[in-house]
Amino acid sequence: KQEVTQIPAALSVPEGENLVLNCSFTDSAIYNLQWFRQDPGKGLTSLLLIQSSQREQTSGRLNASLDKSSGRSTLYIAASQPGDSATYLCAVSQRNTGNQFYFGTGTSLTVIP
Amino acid sequence: DTEVTQTPKHLVMGMTNKKSLKCEQHMGHRAMYWYKQKAKKPPELMFVYSYEKLSINESVPSRFSPECPNSSLLNLHLHALQPEDSALYLCASSQGTGLQPQHFGDGTRLSIL
Repeated sequence: KQEVTQIPAALSVPEGENLVLNCSFTDSAIYNLQWFRQDPGKGLTSLLLIQSSQREQTSGRLNASLDKSSGRSTLYIAASQPGDSATYLCAVSQRNTGNQFYFGTGTSLTVIP
Repeated sequence: DTEVTQTPKHLVMGMTNKKSLKCEQHMGHRAMYWYKQKAKKPPELMFVYSYEKLSINESVPSRFSPECPNSSLLNLHLHALQPEDSALYLCASSQGTGLQPQHFGDGTRLSIL
């Protein structure tokens, strides 16, 4: 069964700092990998989707990379802002299970003004 | 505003009550999902509907009964729930296969007395 792990579990940085969140998965037979943010008590907001054939995707201050062979993805956040404070989750879509998405354990980010 | 709408936002019910959670999307997506999320944990998949047919049931207790009346609507019928079923219930949709991103609603916060 696919296992998705995110490190660190929690991260606290001063405003303006660049930061990297990590996601690792055990089975490289994936369709895609999706990064989400979740504010407390809210649903998930999709940030970026990387197809298995792609290496990276960018949206504004966010850049996500994918190394499928090593089972790793990173989410790079440039010039962090207090509004970036949230929990960040990665999820992989598994090839041999169709519509099933496996979520990582999440990283709780706090950006200090 | 989210493109996946869930109602109600909050629900408090006793263990003998029967209630339903509703989810609606008008993006033409053909796959819809129910997830359960406990505090500080990632979402756990419960059910997947693909083209209005139940395709995945993650061994969920029968006190949870999903229903997909049409391609835009997804219901979760609740009966005789236990206190440990208190959680955030999230609905998501995607275009149809694991290749496309998932879009989430804001969830229903369920409390069982």
